[in-house]
Amino acid sequence: LAKTTQPISMDSYEGQEVNITCSHNNIATNDYITWYQQFPSQGPRFIIQGYKTKVTNEVASLFIPADRKSSTLSLPRVSLSDTAVYYCLVGPNNNDMRFGAGTRLTVKP
Amino acid sequence: NAGVTQTPKFRVLKTGQSMTLLCAQDMNHEYMYWYRQDPGMGLRLIHYSVGEGTTAKGEVPDGYNVSRLKKQNFLLGLESAAPSQTSVYFCASSYTGLLSTDTQYFGPGTRLTVL
Repeated sequence: LAKTTQPISMDSYEGQEVNITCSHNNIATNDYITWYQQFPSQGPRFIIQGYKTKVTNEVASLFIPADRKSSTLSLPRVSLSDTAVYYCLVGPNNNDMRFGAGTRLTVKP
Repeated sequence: NAGVTQTPKFRVLKTGQSMTLLCAQDMNHEYMYWYRQDPGMGLRLIHYSVGEGTTAKGEVPDGYNVSRLKKQNFLLGLESAAPSQTSVYFCASSYTGLLSTDTQYFGPGTRLTVL
């Protein structure tokens, strides 16, 4: 199983862009990189997923360099409602992915 | 379309008591999962099911049993609850689980306290 490392916590202010980097040095060829978001007292929610280069949706962008040993989740112009824990997962299928402690993002006014 | 629902939302047990947590999904998903989440930690997979009538162990299966008698339901049982099982339990489902591209949809969680 590919192990992931991400910062324990990050602070930001409303309107700023936030970048959360996840390290996954032993990622395998058939592994995808998936990010989930979890608000307090709720279950995690899928944000974005990618395999290589850049993926963008209405919520975030995901940047993956050519060696795929890391990935960066980018949240544009965050608001207070983006305060949550963000998890980076790597694996070929759902049964072999592991949720680490995640990154606790706090957005301040 | 309710998605993934969990029953009950809260429960307090005494050591040695038993209980069953119910997870239901209305998305016709094949795969279902039970996780536990402890303070400051991520989610850990307890058991999962790849289809009706099948179950498999996850990362932390000891002390739990599961059953998947109907495709839409996944039950998590604690036969003899211990304080170490105090946690928040999340159920999830996905269309398949063969690829990590199959998004997992999570329920709202069950907060269990074992005294």
